[in-house]
Amino acid sequence: EAQVTQNPRYLITVTGKKLTVTCSQNMNHEYMSWYRQDPGLGLRQIYYSMNVEVTDKGDVPEGYKVSRKEKRNFPLILESPSPNQTSLYFCASIRGTEAFFGQGTRLTVV
Amino acid sequence: AQSVAQPEDQVNVAEGNPLTVKCTYSVSGNPYLFWYVQYPNRGLQFLLKYITGDNLVKGSYGFEAEFNKSQTSFHLKKPSALVSDSALYFCAVRVPGGSQGNLIFGKGTKLSVKP
Repeated sequence: EAQVTQNPRYLITVTGKKLTVTCSQNMNHEYMSWYRQDPGLGLRQIYYSMNVEVTDKGDVPEGYKVSRKEKRNFPLILESPSPNQTSLYFCASIRGTEAFFGQGTRLTVV
Repeated sequence: AQSVAQPEDQVNVAEGNPLTVKCTYSVSGNPYLFWYVQYPNRGLQFLLKYITGDNLVKGSYGFEAEFNKSQTSFHLKKPSALVSDSALYFCAVRVPGGSQGNLIFGKGTKLSVKP
């Protein structure tokens, strides 16, 4: 079964404490992406990766990092989280016109 | 700037009535168009897409959408709404010539279907 798996699903953390949200896909897709969803703003792209070791900024990259050391994994890293990064995060794995989304990670930074 | 507009934050419909969730877009070229649905505490689920061909596209759960190039619209429709259709709906476009995953999303429309 085609799957995009994100972990954790829920996370509450404190300002400044580094965290990583993992994303893994089993479809051998080259393209992966991270989005954040905020009320009234829809989904906005944070970073994307077109292949292993190839990443680029999306529309709202500030405060985030990513890495793509292997095709299946695309972790999102918050080196020093701040309250304005409280949001719902989605990882997506895409090939052609097909996009598969993870279940989401609800992050709260206090 | 390229954008997707969903003019209604919320749409309220009685069960059994037809529903329409509106979407208009502003992009250059001939975009690919998508609808996704998000149920509470769930991820995004694909409903349907328009790539080329027939302007009326049929998708999952009885939904359909009509592509109108002259009005740059891609409204989502269903002839008879169900209470279980209540969810958040997102319209998205993929910009031609851009990175393959560059989906631009609307802000979402909350659909509420009452019994």
